[in-house]
Amino acid sequence: NAGVTQTPKFQVLKTGQSMTLQCAQDMNHNSMYWYRQDPGMGLRLIYYSASEGTTDKGEVPNGYNVSRLNKREFSLRLESAAPSQTSVYFCASSEARRGYSNQPQHFGDGTRLSIL
Amino acid sequence: KNQVEQSPQSLIILEGKNCTLQCNYTVSPFSNLRWYKQDTGRGPVSLTIMTFSENTKSNGRYTATLDADTKQSSLHITASQLSDSASYICVVSGPGRGSTLGRLYFGRGTQLTVWP
Repeated sequence: NAGVTQTPKFQVLKTGQSMTLQCAQDMNHNSMYWYRQDPGMGLRLIYYSASEGTTDKGEVPNGYNVSRLNKREFSLRLESAAPSQTSVYFCASSEARRGYSNQPQHFGDGTRLSIL
Repeated sequence: KNQVEQSPQSLIILEGKNCTLQCNYTVSPFSNLRWYKQDTGRGPVSLTIMTFSENTKSNGRYTATLDADTKQSSLHITASQLSDSASYICVVSGPGRGSTLGRLYFGRGTQLTVWP
């Protein structure tokens, strides 16, 4: 089982460049999430999608946009990359539905993004 | 302020020994508490999820306990193996309300190293 697949695994960008991080899950999950993980800090939620066609902001949405393309895919876009966005980005999915969150999240292995 | 604090920050033990990791939280209201294991360079993997009515849950050599009155949880690892070397992350969930998913509060993790 592939689970949650993220591409690319590594990327280096210059300040001001744009890029899209891709995420796909094959578990028929309703909810999908984008997190960033920085050294010495807990995971922080950027955006999430509780169901196909809906997206909502998390704790740190500034500088990012997302698209829930279909039930399987959830992409994260950096329109104008900044050095402060250097981080490891994780996508996750869950069976959780609106108002019900007692389900584990399944994470991908991350995209390591460096912005120079 | 809702927070999740983990201790110790790092821990080194010898293979075969037991250890206990601690998690204190101030999240209220509380829905569930999760423990994740994150290997270096990989995404977090769920170990246990406990609701407020559960005080113990096991997953192989991992046993999590929860005291909802004192807002404390522990993760006990029995007969440690080299493969247990990882970061262990405590995550506390607040309940979802209406159309909003429950928010997850992530601790910064305890880095466990198991030496042969």
